[in-house]
Amino acid sequence: ETGVTQTPRHLVMGMTNKKSLKCEQHLGHNAMYWYKQSAKKPLELMFVYSLEERVENNSVPSRFSPECPNSSHLFLHLHTLQPEDSALYLCASSQDLRAGVANEKLFFGSGTQLSVL
Amino acid sequence: GIQVEQSPPDLILQEGANSTLRCNFSDSVNNLQWFHQNPWGQLINLFYIPSGTKQNGRLSATTVATERYSLLYISSSQTTDSGVYFCAVAEYGNKLVFGAGTILRVKS
Repeated sequence: ETGVTQTPRHLVMGMTNKKSLKCEQHLGHNAMYWYKQSAKKPLELMFVYSLEERVENNSVPSRFSPECPNSSHLFLHLHTLQPEDSALYLCASSQDLRAGVANEKLFFGSGTQLSVL
Repeated sequence: GIQVEQSPPDLILQEGANSTLRCNFSDSVNNLQWFHQNPWGQLINLFYIPSGTKQNGRLSATTVATERYSLLYISSSQTTDSGVYFCAVAEYGNKLVFGAGTILRVKS
């Protein structure tokens, strides 16, 4: 148990569906992240939040919409996804951001395995 | 941007054997972390080690920042060590960049 909890663990959705991924951290951290892990590709940073303010958005398509209502919770809202969006979506947190987006030690959740049909 | 290369890409060990995983990076970094991803997808932070040497049980890591590489040592490997090992680095003021990983399989 890393202190970062993600739900659901698995999600199957059609291209016209709307769904949300949830992440909660119990570590008292101030920074939270969404990463995408596709088969045979390195982890890709999608979004970074520090104290509920988005500080990084890596040219992610608008069909992915993050929300950070407080420093303990992070959501990723999904709509009109494509089959190539199927991947493992990982949430992470760290104590703070240093020097912009240079990360401190990262703690990951177990991920949501997403399949888009 | 900074490049991260991990070697070997795949490794098969007999239980009880030792191994060394390598991470090379192309520029100076102020952050380097090693992660283990188990077969269920969980990523566990093993070490935060931008320089120097650290040990945690059967695992140890050494980063030689001036020569731009880091090594992860696994001694007396166990089947539970199987999974993917990632190295991630960040230049000052920049985001973490992950390597492609080393897939480790430990056979009993």
